[in-house]
Amino acid sequence: IAGITQAPTSQILAAGRRMTLRCTQDMRHNAMYWYRQDLGLGLRLIHYSNTAGTTGKGEVPDGYSVSRANTDDFPLTLASAVPSQTSVYFCASSEGETTFYNEQFFGPGTRLTVL
Amino acid sequence: QKEVEQNSGPLSVPEGAIASLNCTYSDRVSQSFFWYRQYSGKSPELIMSIYSNGDKEDGRFTAQLNKASQYVSLLIRDSQPSDSATYLCAVKDGGATNKLIFGTGTLLAVQP
Repeated sequence: IAGITQAPTSQILAAGRRMTLRCTQDMRHNAMYWYRQDLGLGLRLIHYSNTAGTTGKGEVPDGYSVSRANTDDFPLTLASAVPSQTSVYFCASSEGETTFYNEQFFGPGTRLTVL
Repeated sequence: QKEVEQNSGPLSVPEGAIASLNCTYSDRVSQSFFWYRQYSGKSPELIMSIYSNGDKEDGRFTAQLNKASQYVSLLIRDSQPSDSATYLCAVKDGGATNKLIFGTGTLLAVQP
């Protein structure tokens, strides 16, 4: 079944540890995104990639890094986790680089708790 | 700062009624608008996209867009308890990017 997978489903992490959240899509979409969702704050864009080999910063990029070595994968790394990074993380993808429509489709999410 | 505003709710409607969800946005050059449904503990699911002024119908869902008023709405006819969820309005950034700006969502509760 085509779609987006994320791993892990959930994780409890000690502060200061490094963590990589994985995201893979099989829809051959050019663009991919990482969001965090916190109660009362909605979905906030962390980083995005319009096409393989390029990345950009979203609204809340500090403390996070991404890479886009190929079309399918878009990992998100927390170099040194802090409790304020406790959140639900969603990966999403869309077809084009700068398409008019830009319908974004979401993965199932990763629930991350930093203690 | 580009913004998308939604009433957080909860919006409570009886089963079989029409639920009306509203959204306003600040970016005058936005051209693409989306409604997502999110069940508790799940990821957002795209249910409607609209790009032109007027109405767009898909089954029990109707999206309405008024660019002059910077207003987009979602009507759900014959509401069912299974429609109970948070509905997120999203607006494509009017600049040359792929970014979507999300509202914080409206919680809909359909009472059986």
